[in-house]
Amino acid sequence: AQSVTQPDIHITVSEGASLELRCNYSYGATPYLFWYVQSPGQGLQLLLKYFSGDTLVQGIKGFEAEFKRSQSSFNLRKPSVHWSDAAEYFCAVALGSSASKIIFGSGTRLSIRP
Amino acid sequence: DVKVTQSSRYLVKRTGEKVFLECVQDMDHENMFWYRQDPGLGLRLIYFSYDVKMKEKGDIPEGYSVSREKKERFSLILESASTNQTSMYLCASSFPTRTSGSAYEQYFGPGTRLTVT
Repeated sequence: AQSVTQPDIHITVSEGASLELRCNYSYGATPYLFWYVQSPGQGLQLLLKYFSGDTLVQGIKGFEAEFKRSQSSFNLRKPSVHWSDAAEYFCAVALGSSASKIIFGSGTRLSIRP
Repeated sequence: DVKVTQSSRYLVKRTGEKVFLECVQDMDHENMFWYRQDPGLGLRLIYFSYDVKMKEKGDIPEGYSVSREKKERFSLILESASTNQTSMYLCASSFPTRTSGSAYEQYFGPGTRLTVT
């Protein structure tokens, strides 16, 4: 069955430090992949998406992610985090069915150390 | 910009009450979704709808029903609320162009935090 795994439940990084959030998926075909961010008390906002082509994708707020087929991974990165990046981050994969469904990982909560 | 709105940000209901959660989107999207979000479990799909009056069960439909009488509005109904339905409920919509992955790009409302006591 298709699945998305985010192995880190909670990560704390210092402001200005680099960030990498891990995401692994299990899916037979070429996936459509997403990263969403959820600020406290808010809905989810799309950070970036991968459909095809260049495996390094750029998103909003200075985030990027790299699709690695051999590792079934789609890790999110940012070279220098800001206090406003504190949020929960969700990786998601589209199932490729006509219903346009996607499944979400369990999320990684990011805290920023001043 | 796509806008998805939900009728309430916070809701407190008693066990056994019938609860309606409303979601409205303004971008003429065919697909609409209801999720619940619980700590450590991510988002789990309750129901989705791909057209007016059409609906399909998601992964956790038990205890819920939905209604889609108009394209822009998708309602989640808890027939008899129970304490284990205390959760954050998120509505989303998407535009299902079949030719690209953007069909799967979902736009979310701000969520309704429901407490059942």
